[in-house]
Amino acid sequence: NAGVTQTPKFRILKIGQSMTLQCTQDMNHNYMYWYRQDPGMGLKLIYYSVGAGITDKGEVPNGYNVSRSTTEDFPLRLELAAPSQTSVYFCASRATWAEQYFGPGTRLTVT
Amino acid sequence: ILNVEQSPQSLHVQEGDSTNFTCSFPSSNFYALHWYRWETAKSPEALFVMTLNGDEKKKGRISATLNTKEGYSYLYIKGSQPEDSATYLCAFPSSIQGAQKLVFGQGTRLTINP
Repeated sequence: NAGVTQTPKFRILKIGQSMTLQCTQDMNHNYMYWYRQDPGMGLKLIYYSVGAGITDKGEVPNGYNVSRSTTEDFPLRLELAAPSQTSVYFCASRATWAEQYFGPGTRLTVT
Repeated sequence: ILNVEQSPQSLHVQEGDSTNFTCSFPSSNFYALHWYRWETAKSPEALFVMTLNGDEKKKGRISATLNTKEGYSYLYIKGSQPEDSATYLCAFPSSIQGAQKLVFGQGTRLTINP
């Protein structure tokens, strides 16, 4: 199993550009999550999904969108990038009642 | 509002010493308590998922205990090594919406001094 994979690993965006962060898991987990980690801070939940076709907002959803068309994939879309979205983004997945598996992260800089 | 508190926020320990830190969580509607290890520039990795009061889990030199009645868990590291330097997170499945989300504490940042 590859676990949770994320692409790209690094990206620099100009203010106002858009991009999609990709996340795929091959463990057939029903729950998937997107977090951001700002410098010196902990994890903040952006969006999550409890299964294909179902998504919900986390603590900091503004400026982001998600979709979950399959069990495996949970892309995060940034529209109109702003400097405040400079962060490290982690995708994660888990089965009900089990531990959470994290992807390697995407380091995004918006300038 | 569900809250997970970890203490201390940071800790410096001499190599070879043992150490421990605390995670406090609401004791009502308990489902499970998770511990994660997060090394700098990497992603968090699960250490333990604990579900039963009095549970004790061990992985090498790291162990954890759980008290669900009073709402706390301790993580112990015996004979600290430089590779133990990391942030240790605890997390609690929120009872809101059927435990679908983990609520993470802010972590204890552990630095082992050689």
